[in-house]
Amino acid sequence: GQNIDQPTEMTATEGAIVQINCTYQTSGFNGLFWYQQHAGEAPTFLSYNVLDGLEEKGRFSSFLSRSKGYSYLLLKELQMKDSASYLCAVVTSGTYKYIFGTGTRLKVLA
Amino acid sequence: DADVTQTPRNRITKTGKRIMLECSQTKGHDRMYWYRQDPGLGLRLIYYSFDVKDINKGEISDGYSVSRQAQAKFSLSLESAIPNQTALYFCATSDPDRVEQYFGPGTRLTVT
Repeated sequence: GQNIDQPTEMTATEGAIVQINCTYQTSGFNGLFWYQQHAGEAPTFLSYNVLDGLEEKGRFSSFLSRSKGYSYLLLKELQMKDSASYLCAVVTSGTYKYIFGTGTRLKVLA
Repeated sequence: DADVTQTPRNRITKTGKRIMLECSQTKGHDRMYWYRQDPGLGLRLIYYSFDVKDINKGEISDGYSVSRQAQAKFSLSLESAIPNQTALYFCATSDPDRVEQYFGPGTRLTVT
């Protein structure tokens, strides 16, 4: 079967660093995405990893290990506006379908 | 103007009614998708289309149908709405050369 696991909820303090983990088991793999979604709004693209390693983009970084079926999203210098849900999604090979995790709701406290 | 638009943004309807949700895009993408989002269940794929003549079922297509009227338009229909179809519905597009998906603003549907 196809499965993506991420923690349901996390809490962190403004200015801190937080790591959101994602593990996956899918039939084929053509890349992993992270999206940010504020309550009631559309998901917006944060990062894409298709090769092993770390991709850095400003305050956000994403890591992938294909052999372990594992990724994480690292958020540095947390701001209140980072309070949102973070969705991990895998693109399957062949049909290019996107399988989404249930999302991690991050609360940033002052 | 938004690249991916959805109409209506909010809809309340009664059980048994037929309802259509529309999606339009100006990104020129061939690939379009319909998802529903429920609390605790994440985004689930209903249908997807890779071009005008291509329609594919996703993981939860029962009770739904779609129509790809043009490259830019992809409609989702509920033939006979039921309360457990109450959800937030998103349309998305993608370009074959860039795997990233672009989402519309969503339609909040309530079936009473």
